[in-house]
Amino acid sequence: AQTVTQSQPEMSVQEAETVTLSCTYDTSENNYYLFWYKQPPSRQMILVIRQEAYKQQNATENRFSVNFQKAAKSFSLKISDSQLGDTAMYFCAFMKLQGAQKLVFGQGTRLTINP
Amino acid sequence: DADVTQTPRNRITKTGKRIMLECSQTKGHDRMYWYRQDPGLGLRLIYYSFDVKDINKGEISDGYSVSRQAQAKFSLSLESAIPNQTALYFCATSDRTGLEAFFGQGTRLTVV
Repeated sequence: AQTVTQSQPEMSVQEAETVTLSCTYDTSENNYYLFWYKQPPSRQMILVIRQEAYKQQNATENRFSVNFQKAAKSFSLKISDSQLGDTAMYFCAFMKLQGAQKLVFGQGTRLTINP
Repeated sequence: DADVTQTPRNRITKTGKRIMLECSQTKGHDRMYWYRQDPGLGLRLIYYSFDVKDINKGEISDGYSVSRQAQAKFSLSLESAIPNQTALYFCATSDRTGLEAFFGQGTRLTVV
């Protein structure tokens, strides 16, 4: 079974700073995807970024980028030039490609961006 | 209109009552999921369905049942609600790649 661990329950930074959220996972699978989802106070879950395990290049989406370390089973999210609208719960998630494809989520990190 | 709609958005019910949470989607996706969110535990999968005739248990299916009435509809039932089923419940859909899940806005259920 796969597990996903987010060891930072809460984080807080000032607006415009850079912040990194940590995620580690455990799997014996070779083919999989990793995701970061954002949940703002509205409760809506929104996909932020995804990474295919076979791609060595780290994914980026505007101010969001990941540091994917496959051997270490680490998948951190970096938010650059943080904005007040980045305040949210962030969930790391894993999905294997073989067999039943379903998301396994971490515990979440509550990120607050202060003005 | 939202692509994935859950009803109700909030519900308070009493212990022992039967309750149904409904989910409908306009994405045209085959795959639908029910998750439960609890503080400190993230989202955990209750049931999932990869097409109308397919129903599968997730990691925490005890005390829950589901019905896939159509491609667009997937409901979750609590046959006899108990207080530890108090949580935020999410329905989600995805296409066959599974590379992006689309979530409803959640149902906050309180069992008293």
